[in-house]
Amino acid sequence: AQTVTQSQPEMSVQEAETVTLSCTYDTSENNYYLFWYKQPPSRQMILVIRQEAYKQQNATENRFSVNFQKAAKSFSLKISDSQLGDTAMYFCLLMIYNQGGKLIFGQGTELSVKP
Amino acid sequence: DAGVIQSPRHEVTEMGQEVTLRCKPISGHNSLFWYRQTMMRGLELLIYFNNNVPIDDSGMPEDRFSAKMPNASFSTLKIQPSEPRDSAVYFCASSSGVEGDQYFGPGTRLLVL
Repeated sequence: AQTVTQSQPEMSVQEAETVTLSCTYDTSENNYYLFWYKQPPSRQMILVIRQEAYKQQNATENRFSVNFQKAAKSFSLKISDSQLGDTAMYFCLLMIYNQGGKLIFGQGTELSVKP
Repeated sequence: DAGVIQSPRHEVTEMGQEVTLRCKPISGHNSLFWYRQTMMRGLELLIYFNNNVPIDDSGMPEDRFSAKMPNASFSTLKIQPSEPRDSAVYFCASSSGVEGDQYFGPGTRLLVL
């Protein structure tokens, strides 16, 4: 069975500093995708970044980057120069493309950015 | 584009009543997902469609839940009869292809009394 684990239920960081959120997963599949979504207090779900498992290069989107370690099945999110607007719940999503596709979300990490 | 549209945004109903949640995906997207979010269980995928066909409904909790996608621009999630434990936020998301980036709607907050 596929699983996604976010081991940090809550984290906090000072504005302008860097923070890393962890995500580990388990799957026997070789073809899959990984995503980070954020959910601010408004409850809207917003895509932050995606990574295709077949790509070795880590994805980057402005201040957001990932450290994808396929062998270790780790997919951490680094937020640089944290801003108050980054305060949100962050979810890691594993999407298995084969066999019709399976989607599994982690339990989430609540990030607070403090001024 | 207006994004994914969900209605109603809030629903309060009494136990035993039928509840219908609606979703309009982003035009051109051919995959649609229904999720439920609660404090206890986090985000759960209920069902998803590809080209209007249900692909995986293993997340649908029980027979009281049903979902349809009669055409590419509309989907419904129905709960009949509703129970207090169904209280949650229900999200709809759409993407271009199952593996594409999902764009979420604003969610429907359901409270069953």
